[in-house]
Amino acid sequence: DQQVKQNSPSLSVQEGRISILNCDYTNSMFDYFLWYKKYPAEGPTFLISISSIKDKNEDGRFTVFLNKSAKHLSLHIVPSQPGDSAVYFCAATDSGGSNYKLTFGKGTLLTVNP
Amino acid sequence: DADVTQTPRNRITKTGKRIMLECSQTKGHDRMYWYRQDPGLGLQLIYYSFDVKDINKGEISDGYSVSRQAQAKFSLSLESAIPNQTALYFCATSDSDTGELFFGEGSRLTVL
Repeated sequence: DQQVKQNSPSLSVQEGRISILNCDYTNSMFDYFLWYKKYPAEGPTFLISISSIKDKNEDGRFTVFLNKSAKHLSLHIVPSQPGDSAVYFCAATDSGGSNYKLTFGKGTLLTVNP
Repeated sequence: DADVTQTPRNRITKTGKRIMLECSQTKGHDRMYWYRQDPGLGLQLIYYSFDVKDINKGEISDGYSVSRQAQAKFSLSLESAIPNQTALYFCATSDSDTGELFFGEGSRLTVL
């Protein structure tokens, strides 16, 4: 049973426009969410996170929104740049007891066209 | 030098062979992980260790074993490799305060 779902395998946007990557989760115990970016031939790198006590977290061009009632989060990239082209993974965890064992979605391949 | 180093980066082997993937880290983190990535399946947790004396199975531990030789070293073994273990393997560490994972560059394993 997939607890973290990224239903769009790929997304293509034009440079300068907004990229919106979506993620849904089913486990109501999840209370901490992270986004990772992965370039080919490299390991994933942390991008941004959000705790369930917030509904928005912003870091430069990247903003993550959390809708707890819908068990949905989204990553907004504005403006999108060609260097943002990568696979983006959504991840979630139950931080109770300092577990921090992440469950990942399948990833979304973002392509930003010049 | 990378904070999380995996060796080998690429390996081709035959069915039935024993394979070890090694991971070392200089971040001083207690927590270490092994993940597997298959196309279209994202990252799946194989094993994790929260300190030297702690080893835990992840989602897909069958066919794998691990050893935590020291705080900085965590190795993954395939005792008898099979073709469906062909995948990209990632080692990761985490800081118990933030939960953020730091990944190595990956080890691509092909089992013929």
